[in-house]
Amino acid sequence: ELKVEQNPLFLSMQEGKNYTIYCNYSTTSDRLYWYRQDPGKSLESLFVLLSNGAVKQEGRLMASLDTKARLSTLHITAAVHDLSATYFCAVDRDSGTYKYIFGTGTRLKVLA
Amino acid sequence: EAGVTQFPSHSVIEKGQTVTLRCDPISGHDNLYWYRRVMGKEIKFLLHFVKESKQDESGMPNNRFLAERTGGTYSTLKVQPAELEDSGVYFCASKAGGVRGTQYFGPGTRLLVL
Repeated sequence: ELKVEQNPLFLSMQEGKNYTIYCNYSTTSDRLYWYRQDPGKSLESLFVLLSNGAVKQEGRLMASLDTKARLSTLHITAAVHDLSATYFCAVDRDSGTYKYIFGTGTRLKVLA
Repeated sequence: EAGVTQFPSHSVIEKGQTVTLRCDPISGHDNLYWYRRVMGKEIKFLLHFVKESKQDESGMPNNRFLAERTGGTYSTLKVQPAELEDSGVYFCASKAGGVRGTQYFGPGTRLLVL
């Protein structure tokens, strides 16, 4: 059974600091998705990582994928308050229904 | 282009009552997924439609849950009778085509069963 572990569950950080969210998954997958959710809003797609070694950056967020280690990271650089949200990683399989298996989410709070 | 919409945004019902959740996917998206997040836990898959056909309902908790997608457009998820453990946030997502790709999520319906 494919499982996804995400840590930390909660993260409170000061503005201007750097931090990394980790997403580990249990079986082979070559694709990983990162989403952001603001309270009461939809999950917004941030990144789709398509292969081993993929790295994508958008503003202060950078995501990477290591399929051999079954690990993805979401790195936050010089955090700002607007980044406060819950971040989810998810994987799917290259067969069947392509349903997502999600991590538990990381609730990020950036303090001014 | 309108995104995925869900109705209602919130629902509070008593144990034993019936609730119906609705999802309108992005126009033209054949794939529609339902997921649920119980308080503090991960978002879990419930079922998947391609057009009006159920492709995978392996995540449906029990036979108190019934999903339909008549005509291959909007979908409904009915819980009857509702139990306390059904409380959570129900998300709908849609995706175009028949291959892997990004799913687009609605804002969710927050269900509280008292």
